Amino acid sequence: GQNIDQPTEMTATEGAIVQINCTYQTSGFNGLFWYQQHAGEAPTFLSYNVLDGLEEKGRFSSFLSRSKGYSYLLLKELQMKDSASYLCAVKGAAGNKLTFGGGTRVLVKP
Amino acid sequence: DTGVSQNPRHKITKRGQNVTFRCDPISEHNRLYWYRQTLGQGPEFLTYFQNEAQLEKSRLLSDRFSAERPKGSFSTLEIQRTEQGDSAMYLCASSWGTNNSPLHFGNGTRLTVT
Repeated sequence: GQNIDQPTEMTATEGAIVQINCTYQTSGFNGLFWYQQHAGEAPTFLSYNVLDGLEEKGRFSSFLSRSKGYSYLLLKELQMKDSASYLCAVKGAAGNKLTFGGGTRVLVKP
Repeated sequence: DTGVSQNPRHKITKRGQNVTFRCDPISEHNRLYWYRQTLGQGPEFLTYFQNEAQLEKSRLLSDRFSAERPKGSFSTLEIQRTEQGDSAMYLCASSWGTNNSPLHFGNGTRLTVT
């Protein structure tokens, strides 16, 4: 089976940095994805990690440690439009589906 | 790339009725997925296709649910004898057939069973 944990909710101030942690236990591993989902909208792809280390993409960075079953998504220079849910998802060894965590709702305050 | 299209956007039905949803994936993508999402939760996997073959189906999926992708292009998801617990957002996604290919999601069909 697969188990993915992330905090339910986080609050941060505009212009600040927020780090969203994700821990996972899966049977096999073929990559970890982060998605952003605004209320009432479809999830949109943010990042993909399959090797250990940091992937940077503008204001967003994602880190992976496979030995620890751990990833984080770092959002820098927060903007009001970053208020959304952030979903951690893992692709296991068996099959090709993504298994999602419950999502972390980030609220950015002025 | 016109994105993943789902119809209808909203469906209200009475308990016991059958409903069918349609998904048109991104045309070059050979994989198609169905997920279900309830408020405050992450998407839950239902089933996926590679071309026209249904390769995996969630063990949690009742036999009232059936999905098809007859020509390897669009897909339909049917729910028979709907129950109030079926109320959710039904999301369709498509992707290329490689490990690092992200899923591209449609805007979903919101089902309300009264």
